[in-house]
Amino acid sequence: DSGVTQTPKHLITATGQRVTLRCSPRSGDLSVYWYQQSLDQGLQFLIQYYNGEERAKGNILERFSAQQFPDLHSELNLSSLELGDSALYFCASSSSLSEGETQYFGPGTRLLVL
Amino acid sequence: AQSVTQLDSQVPVFEEAPVELRCNYSSSVSVYLFWYVQYPNQGLQLLLKYLSGSTLVESINGFEAEFNKSQTSFHLRKPSVHISDTAEYFCAVRTSSGGSYIPTFGRGTSLIVHP
Repeated sequence: DSGVTQTPKHLITATGQRVTLRCSPRSGDLSVYWYQQSLDQGLQFLIQYYNGEERAKGNILERFSAQQFPDLHSELNLSSLELGDSALYFCASSSSLSEGETQYFGPGTRLLVL
Repeated sequence: AQSVTQLDSQVPVFEEAPVELRCNYSSSVSVYLFWYVQYPNQGLQLLLKYLSGSTLVESINGFEAEFNKSQTSFHLRKPSVHISDTAEYFCAVRTSSGGSYIPTFGRGTSLIVHP
């Protein structure tokens, strides 16, 4: 158990819909990362937050957005869903921004868009 | 842009045999290199990392990786694998971007250990 929790574990929805994925980092960790894992694209970095502020953006679509709240939990919002958004979404947390900081991954949310 | 190439998508091997999982990266600047393992239905776990210093790094469960700057490689090895090593292995590189370190992952190598 990494200490990172993600809810829900599974999500099935329809095209055009909007969903919110939630992540609670390990106690004391200030940084949260979101990743998308799919068969087509592999593991892709989406976005990073540190202590409530956006720090880095990766391959995140404009239809996707995220935020980190004062209690440090984070949410990833996916809107106007398409079939290709079906994937495993991981959240990871770390305590700082250093280059070698270990990221602890949650178990993921599996999203299926029908 | 960074890229990480894991040359083998799948590596089948018999138990107690040695294994090498290959990883090459593209970068001309300082990089920080990582190997992660993903067991079925779980998130990724850090296996080992290279930041600086000795080019050979080891994990607690018998894996090791060697950073080779001239060949831009960071191959993962284990002299004798167990059935429990069956998993997906990801190589990753982090590079600096505006005060953060952005990770780029390889496509993964599925290690399948047969009895």
